[in-house]
Amino acid sequence: NAGVTQTPKFRILKIGQSMTLQCTQDMNHNYMYWYRQDPGMGLKLIYYSVGAGITDKGEVPNGYNVSRSTTEDFPLRLELAAPSQTSVYFCASSYPSPGGVNIQYFGAGTRLSVL
Amino acid sequence: AQSVTQLDSQVPVFEEAPVELRCNYSSSVSVYLFWYVQYPNQGLQLLLKYLSGSTLVKGINGFEAEFNKSQTSFHLRKPSVHISDTAEYFCAVSVAGNTGKLIFGQGTTLQVKP
Repeated sequence: NAGVTQTPKFRILKIGQSMTLQCTQDMNHNYMYWYRQDPGMGLKLIYYSVGAGITDKGEVPNGYNVSRSTTEDFPLRLELAAPSQTSVYFCASSYPSPGGVNIQYFGAGTRLSVL
Repeated sequence: AQSVTQLDSQVPVFEEAPVELRCNYSSSVSVYLFWYVQYPNQGLQLLLKYLSGSTLVKGINGFEAEFNKSQTSFHLRKPSVHISDTAEYFCAVSVAGNTGKLIFGQGTTLQVKP
Protein backbone atom coordinates (compact mmCIF):
# COMPACT_ATOMS: atom_id res chain seq x y z
CA ASN A 1 0.00 0.00 0.00
CA ALA A 2 2.08 2.91 -1.34
CA GLY A 3 -0.30 5.82 -0.56
CA VAL A 4 1.33 9.16 -1.46
CA THR A 5 4.84 8.90 -2.90
CA GLN A 6 7.19 11.86 -3.27
CA THR A 7 10.48 11.96 -5.13
CA PRO A 8 13.23 12.89 -4.61
CA LYS A 9 13.64 12.76 -0.83
CA PHE A 10 16.51 15.25 -0.83
CA ARG A 11 17.83 17.74 -3.34
CA ILE A 12 20.34 20.57 -3.43
CA LEU A 13 19.87 23.23 -6.08
CA LYS A 14 21.92 26.20 -7.13
CA ILE A 15 20.25 29.59 -7.36
CA GLY A 16 18.48 29.95 -10.69
CA GLN A 17 18.20 26.25 -11.42
CA SER A 18 14.87 24.59 -12.02
CA MET A 19 13.44 21.29 -10.88
CA THR A 20 10.23 19.32 -10.56
CA LEU A 21 9.12 17.68 -7.36
CA GLN A 22 7.14 14.58 -8.14
CA CYS A 23 4.05 13.40 -6.29
CA THR A 24 1.91 10.40 -7.11
CA GLN A 25 -0.92 8.71 -5.22
CA ASP A 26 -2.54 5.34 -5.75
CA MET A 27 -5.73 5.89 -3.75
CA ASN A 28 -7.78 7.40 -6.60
CA HIS A 29 -8.20 10.63 -4.64
CA ASN A 30 -9.56 13.60 -6.53
CA TYR A 31 -8.00 16.24 -4.30
CA MET A 32 -4.27 16.85 -4.10
CA TYR A 33 -2.20 19.52 -2.35
CA TRP A 34 1.30 20.89 -2.05
CA TYR A 35 2.53 22.39 1.22
CA ARG A 36 5.83 23.80 2.34
CA GLN A 37 7.06 23.51 5.90
CA ASP A 38 9.43 26.05 7.39
CA PRO A 39 10.75 25.88 10.98
CA GLY A 40 8.34 27.44 13.46
CA MET A 41 5.85 28.27 10.70
CA GLY A 42 3.76 25.15 10.36
CA LEU A 43 2.70 24.13 6.86
CA LYS A 44 1.59 26.61 4.22
CA LEU A 45 -0.48 25.64 1.18
CA ILE A 46 1.22 26.33 -2.15
CA TYR A 47 -1.22 24.91 -4.71
CA TYR A 48 -4.06 22.45 -4.75
CA SER A 49 -6.12 20.52 -7.28
CA VAL A 50 -9.67 19.22 -7.14
CA GLY A 51 -9.28 16.93 -10.13
CA ALA A 52 -7.39 16.31 -13.34
CA GLY A 53 -7.03 19.54 -15.29
CA ILE A 54 -8.08 21.78 -12.37
CA THR A 55 -5.59 23.60 -10.16
CA ASP A 56 -5.70 26.68 -7.97
CA LYS A 57 -3.38 28.81 -5.88
CA GLY A 58 -2.99 28.44 -2.16
CA GLU A 59 -1.49 30.82 0.36
CA VAL A 60 2.10 30.95 -0.98
CA PRO A 61 2.11 30.21 -4.75
CA ASN A 62 4.78 32.67 -5.93
CA GLY A 63 7.75 30.99 -7.59
CA TYR A 64 5.94 27.71 -8.19
CA ASN A 65 3.81 26.09 -10.89
CA VAL A 66 1.74 22.93 -10.96
CA SER A 67 -0.11 20.76 -13.43
CA ARG A 68 -2.57 17.89 -13.04
CA SER A 69 -2.88 15.84 -16.20
CA THR A 70 -3.90 12.62 -14.43
CA THR A 71 -5.69 11.75 -11.19
CA GLU A 72 -2.55 10.08 -9.84
CA ASP A 73 0.13 12.73 -10.42
CA PHE A 74 0.55 16.29 -9.18
CA PRO A 75 4.07 17.62 -9.90
CA LEU A 76 5.36 20.89 -8.45
CA ARG A 77 7.71 22.97 -10.61
CA LEU A 78 10.30 25.47 -9.42
CA GLU A 79 11.45 27.53 -12.41
CA LEU A 80 14.14 29.80 -10.94
CA ALA A 81 15.19 28.48 -7.55
CA ALA A 82 15.84 31.04 -4.84
CA PRO A 83 17.24 30.62 -1.31
CA SER A 84 13.79 31.50 0.06
CA GLN A 85 12.53 28.25 -1.42
CA THR A 86 14.73 26.21 0.88
CA SER A 87 12.13 24.17 2.75
CA VAL A 88 10.54 20.78 3.22
CA TYR A 89 7.77 20.13 0.72
CA PHE A 90 4.85 17.85 1.40
CA CYS A 91 2.32 16.50 -1.02
CA ALA A 92 -1.05 15.28 0.20
CA SER A 93 -4.19 13.79 -1.25
CA SER A 94 -7.71 13.49 0.07
CA TYR A 95 -11.21 12.28 -0.49
CA PRO A 96 -14.51 13.60 0.88
CA SER A 97 -15.67 11.26 3.62
CA PRO A 98 -19.25 11.06 4.96
CA GLY A 99 -20.20 14.46 6.32
CA GLY A 100 -18.22 16.28 3.63
CA VAL A 101 -14.90 16.48 5.42
CA ASN A 102 -11.71 15.76 3.45
CA ILE A 103 -9.18 13.56 5.22
CA GLN A 104 -5.70 14.30 3.92
CA TYR A 105 -2.94 11.71 3.55
CA PHE A 106 0.62 12.98 3.37
CA GLY A 107 3.75 11.86 1.62
CA ALA A 108 7.10 11.61 3.41
CA GLY A 109 8.33 14.94 2.06
CA THR A 110 11.10 16.36 -0.11
CA ARG A 111 13.84 18.30 1.64
CA LEU A 112 15.13 21.02 -0.70
CA SER A 113 18.10 23.31 -0.19
CA VAL A 114 18.84 26.19 -2.55
CA LEU A 115 22.39 27.49 -2.28
CA ALA B 1 -10.43 33.82 7.17
CA GLN B 2 -9.31 31.15 9.58
CA SER B 3 -6.22 31.02 11.76
CA VAL B 4 -4.71 28.55 14.21
CA THR B 5 -2.43 29.30 17.14
CA GLN B 6 -0.53 26.68 19.04
CA LEU B 7 0.37 28.27 22.31
CA ASP B 8 3.56 26.34 23.06
CA SER B 9 6.41 25.85 20.61
CA GLN B 10 8.10 23.24 22.82
CA VAL B 11 6.79 21.04 25.62
CA PRO B 12 9.30 18.99 27.60
CA VAL B 13 7.81 16.29 29.79
CA PHE B 14 9.03 13.23 31.65
CA GLU B 15 8.00 9.75 30.60
CA GLU B 16 4.70 8.53 32.11
CA ALA B 17 3.64 12.09 32.98
CA PRO B 18 0.46 13.61 31.53
CA VAL B 19 0.69 16.21 28.78
CA GLU B 20 -1.53 18.84 27.21
CA LEU B 21 -0.75 20.59 23.92
CA ARG B 22 -2.81 23.72 23.46
CA CYS B 23 -4.50 24.91 20.29
CA ASN B 24 -6.77 27.90 19.72
CA TYR B 25 -8.44 28.76 16.45
CA SER B 26 -10.28 31.68 14.91
CA SER B 27 -13.05 31.39 12.34
CA SER B 28 -16.31 33.11 11.49
CA VAL B 29 -17.77 29.86 10.13
CA SER B 30 -17.91 26.31 11.39
CA VAL B 31 -14.72 24.35 10.97
CA TYR B 32 -13.43 20.83 11.24
CA LEU B 33 -10.50 20.39 13.61
CA PHE B 34 -7.54 18.06 13.35
CA TRP B 35 -4.39 17.04 15.14
CA TYR B 36 -1.52 15.62 13.10
CA VAL B 37 1.75 14.12 14.35
CA GLN B 38 5.08 14.24 12.54
CA TYR B 39 7.80 11.86 13.68
CA PRO B 40 11.39 12.81 12.78
CA ASN B 41 12.04 12.77 9.03
CA GLN B 42 8.55 11.51 8.26
CA GLY B 43 5.33 12.88 6.81
CA LEU B 44 2.27 13.89 8.79
CA GLN B 45 -0.07 11.30 10.26
CA LEU B 46 -3.61 12.00 11.40
CA LEU B 47 -4.01 11.61 15.19
CA LEU B 48 -7.65 12.56 15.54
CA LYS B 49 -10.36 14.81 14.20
CA TYR B 50 -13.46 16.66 15.37
CA LEU B 51 -16.29 16.93 12.89
CA SER B 52 -19.40 17.29 15.05
CA GLY B 53 -21.18 15.68 17.99
CA SER B 54 -19.35 14.72 21.16
CA THR B 55 -16.79 17.33 22.10
CA LEU B 56 -14.33 14.73 23.40
CA VAL B 57 -12.67 12.81 20.60
CA LYS B 58 -10.28 9.93 20.93
CA GLY B 59 -7.48 9.20 18.52
CA ILE B 60 -4.64 6.82 17.98
CA ASN B 61 -1.84 6.08 20.46
CA GLY B 62 -3.95 7.02 23.49
CA PHE B 63 -4.39 10.68 22.58
CA GLU B 64 -7.63 12.59 22.99
CA ALA B 65 -8.76 16.14 22.40
CA GLU B 66 -11.61 18.29 23.60
CA PHE B 67 -13.43 20.80 21.43
CA ASN B 68 -14.51 23.90 23.30
CA LYS B 69 -16.60 26.16 21.10
CA SER B 70 -16.93 29.02 23.57
CA GLN B 71 -13.17 29.21 24.04
CA THR B 72 -12.42 28.27 20.41
CA SER B 73 -9.93 25.69 21.60
CA PHE B 74 -9.02 22.14 20.70
CA HIS B 75 -6.40 20.99 23.20
CA LEU B 76 -4.68 17.63 22.84
CA ARG B 77 -4.08 15.46 25.90
CA LYS B 78 -2.51 12.18 26.86
CA PRO B 79 -2.60 10.86 30.45
CA SER B 80 0.78 9.11 30.29
CA VAL B 81 3.37 9.72 27.60
CA HIS B 82 6.07 7.43 26.27
CA ILE B 83 9.47 8.13 24.80
CA SER B 84 8.03 7.14 21.43
CA ASP B 85 5.60 10.10 21.58
CA THR B 86 8.51 12.47 20.97
CA ALA B 87 7.48 14.26 17.78
CA GLU B 88 6.07 17.47 16.39
CA TYR B 89 2.33 17.96 16.70
CA PHE B 90 0.23 20.16 14.45
CA CYS B 91 -3.25 21.49 15.02
CA ALA B 92 -5.20 22.30 11.84
CA VAL B 93 -8.64 23.45 10.70
CA SER B 94 -10.60 23.20 7.50
CA VAL B 95 -13.87 24.70 6.41
CA ALA B 96 -16.69 22.41 5.34
CA GLY B 97 -17.08 22.21 1.58
CA ASN B 98 -13.92 24.21 0.93
CA THR B 99 -11.92 21.59 -0.96
CA GLY B 100 -10.41 20.32 2.28
CA LYS B 101 -7.65 22.92 2.43
CA LEU B 102 -5.97 22.78 5.82
CA ILE B 103 -4.76 25.77 7.83
CA PHE B 104 -2.05 24.72 10.23
CA GLY B 105 -0.75 26.04 13.48
CA GLN B 106 2.96 26.60 13.96
CA GLY B 107 3.52 23.22 15.57
CA THR B 108 4.49 22.05 19.06
CA THR B 109 7.53 19.90 19.67
CA LEU B 110 6.85 17.34 22.37
CA GLN B 111 10.05 16.08 23.94
CA VAL B 112 9.59 13.14 26.28
CA LYS B 113 12.48 12.61 28.66
CA PRO B 114 13.32 9.35 30.46
